[in-house]
Amino acid sequence: SQTIHQWPATLVQPVGSPLSLECTVEGTSNPNLYWYRQAAGRGLQLLFYSVGIGQISSEVPQNLSASRPQDRQFILSSKKLLLSDSGFYLCAWSVRDEQYFGPGTRLTVT
Amino acid sequence: AQSVTQLGSHVSVSEGALVLLRCNYSSSVPPYLFWYVQYPNQGLQLLLKYTSAATLVKGINGFEAEFKKSETSFHLTKPSAHMSDAAEYFCAVSFSSTGFQKLVFGTGTRLLVSP
Repeated sequence: SQTIHQWPATLVQPVGSPLSLECTVEGTSNPNLYWYRQAAGRGLQLLFYSVGIGQISSEVPQNLSASRPQDRQFILSSKKLLLSDSGFYLCAWSVRDEQYFGPGTRLTVT
Repeated sequence: AQSVTQLGSHVSVSEGALVLLRCNYSSSVPPYLFWYVQYPNQGLQLLLKYTSAATLVKGINGFEAEFKKSETSFHLTKPSAHMSDAAEYFCAVSFSSTGFQKLVFGTGTRLLVSP
């Protein structure tokens, strides 16, 4: 069966520090991968998606970037965090018409 | 452009009562519609989906939803609420069916269940 992992589960970082969140998927090949952010009291905002290795599409201009160095690995990064980057970050994968979500990373920027 | 509106950021019911969570969508093409549930500090779990087959869709945990094209609605219901149903529920619309999809989510409805 397929599983999706995200780490770390929680992270507290100061403003201006770098960020790296990792997502890996097991049990499937060539998945479409997604990064979402969920701010407090709001819905999910799609940040990036990827249909293959090295192929990244950005949905909104922001302080973040994404990379897909391997088929089942998706990384969310920032060179310098802003307070507004705080939130709950969710990774997801899909092969057909359903998206499956990871457990999420709660990021607090102080 | 596709969009989703969830009426009511919070819904409170008593245990055993009917659950009704509302979702209206806007789509220029036949939509694919989804309901997800999120428990605190967890990811989203798919409850059910509508993909142009039967208009009444049954999902996990006793939930179901009915697609009504004339009302552009996809409301989620459950005949009898359990305490374990307390969570946040998201309606989403997708405008692709070819393996790659973009989901547009509503802002969510928090379901509170009292004893």
